[in-house]
Amino acid sequence: AQKVTQAQTEISVVEKEDVTLDCVYETRDTTYYLFWYKQPPSGELVFLIRRNSFDEQNEISGRYSWNFQKSTSSFNFTITASQVVDSAVYFCALSEAEAAGNKLTFGGGTRVLVKP
Amino acid sequence: DAGVIQSPRHEVTEMGQEVTLRCKPISGHNSLFWYRQTMMRGLELLIYFNNNVPIDDSGMPEDRFSAKMPNASFSTLKIQPSEPRDSAVYFCASSLTAENSPLHFGNGTRLTVT
Repeated sequence: AQKVTQAQTEISVVEKEDVTLDCVYETRDTTYYLFWYKQPPSGELVFLIRRNSFDEQNEISGRYSWNFQKSTSSFNFTITASQVVDSAVYFCALSEAEAAGNKLTFGGGTRVLVKP
Repeated sequence: DAGVIQSPRHEVTEMGQEVTLRCKPISGHNSLFWYRQTMMRGLELLIYFNNNVPIDDSGMPEDRFSAKMPNASFSTLKIQPSEPRDSAVYFCASSLTAENSPLHFGNGTRLTVT
């Protein structure tokens, strides 16, 4: 069965600091997809990125970057030069290709608090 | 484009009452998911539909929970009778069936059962 672990429950940083969120996953499938979602204080879940298991290239989008390492089953997320608006709960999630549909298994989330 | 629309945003009810949560997926999306979020258990998948057909309801906690999708643009999640432990935020999400399609979530319904 699949499992996603986000060991950090809460991280507090001062604005402009970098923050890295860890995500470790378990799956028996060779084809799978990894996602990050953001949940701001308003409560909605916002899709940030998806990555398939065959693409280990790191990705950068503005201040966000993702480091996928298959060898360690990790898909870490870094926010560079954090801002107060980055304060949110961030969820890592896994979808297995062999499972019907796109159902996601979520990690427990990491709460990021960016202080001014 | 309109996203996933859920109603109501907040629901407060007394134990034993029936509760119905509603969801309108994004037009063209053929997969629909109901998730529940609690502090203790995080985000849990309750049930999902593909082309209006329930595919996996193994996450539905008890027979008190039921979900329907009568057409491609509407789904309901019903709890009857409700209990205090059902208090949670219930999210509906939709996606295309393609394997790498992300789920798009609604704003959720915060349910409080007193």
